[in-house]
Amino acid sequence: DADVTQTPRNRITKTGKRIMLECSQTKGHDRMYWYRQDPGLGLRLIYYSFDVKDINKGEISDGYSVSRQAQAKFSLSLESAIPNQTALYFCATSEGSSGANVLTFGAGSRLTVL
Amino acid sequence: AQSVTQPDIHITVSEGASLELRCNYSYGATPYLFWYVQSPGQGLQLLLKYFSGDTLVQGIKGFEAEFKRSQSSFNLRKPSVHWSDAAEYFCAVVSGTGNQFYFGTGTSLTVIP
Repeated sequence: DADVTQTPRNRITKTGKRIMLECSQTKGHDRMYWYRQDPGLGLRLIYYSFDVKDINKGEISDGYSVSRQAQAKFSLSLESAIPNQTALYFCATSEGSSGANVLTFGAGSRLTVL
Repeated sequence: AQSVTQPDIHITVSEGASLELRCNYSYGATPYLFWYVQSPGQGLQLLLKYFSGDTLVQGIKGFEAEFKRSQSSFNLRKPSVHWSDAAEYFCAVVSGTGNQFYFGTGTSLTVIP
């Protein structure tokens, strides 16, 4: 099994629908992240969590919310999806409290909003 | 604020040729630097990292990168490219507290026979 598992891998939805992307990890890492990838823009941070009680906004959190249900689970929600949220979403984890961290990524969830 | 620039959006090389992908960073202190590779339909995989010490770091798949503080650069190199190296490559920097990673916009590599 993968260290970081994302579900669903692909999802097509309509404008206005609520969508949840789920992430689970077996790394035992405290830190979890949600990134969005768009062509030509690289990866941009949506939200990150350093433990179950610590949730922080990233640079593009508007229109998104997250829930850290357990150390191993971190879900991303789009309350009312819009077409410009069409993108590839990545969950990642890391350990440690210093810069000497390494991100471990899931395989990605491709979301299309029609 | 930290930032990462990858000047080359797309590079095409012949199989067997050498490769250099450029990365420039902006960060006030000593950075922690990374190169990740994303194969089509896959997540990002760590190629190599620089935390401190020797400025030439070796990674997986025959890649290496050199940290040059004077040029604020961390360029990725490979002496002989294989067709399987075709992918998107991302450079990243993380703050000293490890709170946030900053990624470049990526360089797409095409390998021609």
